[in-house]
Amino acid sequence: DSGVTQTPKHLITATGQRVTLRCSPRSGDLSVYWYQQSLDQGLQFLIQYYNGEERAKGNILERFSAQQFPDLHSELNLSSLELGDSALYFCASSVESSGNTIYFGEGSWLTVV
Amino acid sequence: AQSVTQPDIHITVSEGASLELRCNYSYGATPYLFWYVQSPGQGLQLLLKYFSGDTLVQGIKGFEAEFKRSQSSFNLRKPSVHWSDAAEYFCAVGNMEYGNKLVFGAGTILRVKS
Repeated sequence: DSGVTQTPKHLITATGQRVTLRCSPRSGDLSVYWYQQSLDQGLQFLIQYYNGEERAKGNILERFSAQQFPDLHSELNLSSLELGDSALYFCASSVESSGNTIYFGEGSWLTVV
Repeated sequence: AQSVTQPDIHITVSEGASLELRCNYSYGATPYLFWYVQSPGQGLQLLLKYFSGDTLVQGIKGFEAEFKRSQSSFNLRKPSVHWSDAAEYFCAVGNMEYGNKLVFGAGTILRVKS
């Protein structure tokens, strides 16, 4: 158990819908990351937050957004969902914003039908 | 830009045999290097990491990896594989200049035959 908690574990939704994935980082970790794992693209970095502020951005679609709240939990919002958004979405956390080990949660499986 | 290459998509070894999974990276500065393992339907578990210092690093479950700057490699090794090691293994490189973003390789699926 890495200490990173993600909910829900599985989610099935229809195209065009919107979903929110939630992540609680390890106790004491200030930085949160979101990654997407799909069969065709592998593991892709989406976005990083540090202590509530966006720190780095990767291949995140405009239909996706994220935030980190004062209690340090984070949410990834996926809207106007398409079939191709079906993937495993990982949250990860680390103590600082760089130079630290990143610990991953078990992921949220999103299926868009 | 950073990149990570894991040249072997699948590897099959016999239980008890030794294992080496290859990882090559492309990065201008000194990288942070990681190996993660993912069992079917599971999350990513950290096996080991290299930040600096001794180039041979020990990890969990009997794994080790060696950082070779001249070859831009960070190969994962285990002297004797157990059936429970069957999983997918990911090499990743991170940097300090751009947050703590990790770039992952495509992964190597390890099959263990008895």
